[in-house]
Amino acid sequence: SQQGEEDPQALSIQEGENATMNCSYKTSINNLQWYRQNSGRGLVHLILIRSNEREKHSGRLRVTLDTSKKSSSLLITASRAADTASYFCATDSGGGADGLTFGKGTHLIIQP
Amino acid sequence: ETGVTQTPRHLVMGMTNKKSLKCEQHLGHNAMYWYKQSAKKPLELMFVYSLEERVENNSVPSRFSPECPNSSHLFLHLHTLQPEDSALYLCASSQVWDRFYEQYFGPGTRLTVT
Repeated sequence: SQQGEEDPQALSIQEGENATMNCSYKTSINNLQWYRQNSGRGLVHLILIRSNEREKHSGRLRVTLDTSKKSSSLLITASRAADTASYFCATDSGGGADGLTFGKGTHLIIQP
Repeated sequence: ETGVTQTPRHLVMGMTNKKSLKCEQHLGHNAMYWYKQSAKKPLELMFVYSLEERVENNSVPSRFSPECPNSSHLFLHLHTLQPEDSALYLCASSQVWDRFYEQYFGPGTRLTVT
C-alpha cells in the first residue's frame, strides 16, 4: 500500500519564489527522505530526516517532520529554473536493507 | 550518474522475447534494489538484495527474475512480458550499516513491451 502521499500533485511558481511540498504517511517510520527526479531520469537523494528530528537544513532546502501528524514538508527557498523536477518523499519503516516506500510525487515547475 | 549505472537505457521488446537489464554500482555498497516506475503510480519496490542475498520480493510476477552475482552487480531477467510491464526500471544501492541510509539510484532503463 502507498505510504507517502505528496501534496500538491503539481506546483508552478515564479523563479525566486519559495516552493513548499508536503508529504503524509501512514505507519511509524525510522526516517523520511526526499528525492528529486528530473524527467525520465533516476532519483537523486536530497535530504534524510530521522524520526527523532524535527527540522533539517541543507543549502536552500528545509525539511520538517511531525511524527504526531505523520507528515513532513520540503521547502525550497529562492527557487531556480533548474529546480524544475518531480519531488518524492520516501519512508523507511523497517531497518537494515528494507526498500523505501515512495509517494506519487509533486511535479514542480519553476517559471523563469 | 557514475555511481550507479544501468544498461541498456532504452529497450523495446516483444512479448515473446527474453532480455536482461543490468545494474552496476561503483560505491562499495552492500545492498541493491530494483524499482518499477509506471506512469501516474508511485515507485514500486520489486526486489531487495542485501549482502548478495535476496531479502525481499514484493509479489512480483515470475516473468521477472533477479540475479545478484556479487555486491556490485544486479540483473533483472525478463521473459514473456506483458504490455503493462512497460515502465522505467530503476536500480538503486545503499550501504546498510545502520538504520539510517540513503539510496543512490541509476538513470533507469525505459522498457517498452510491444
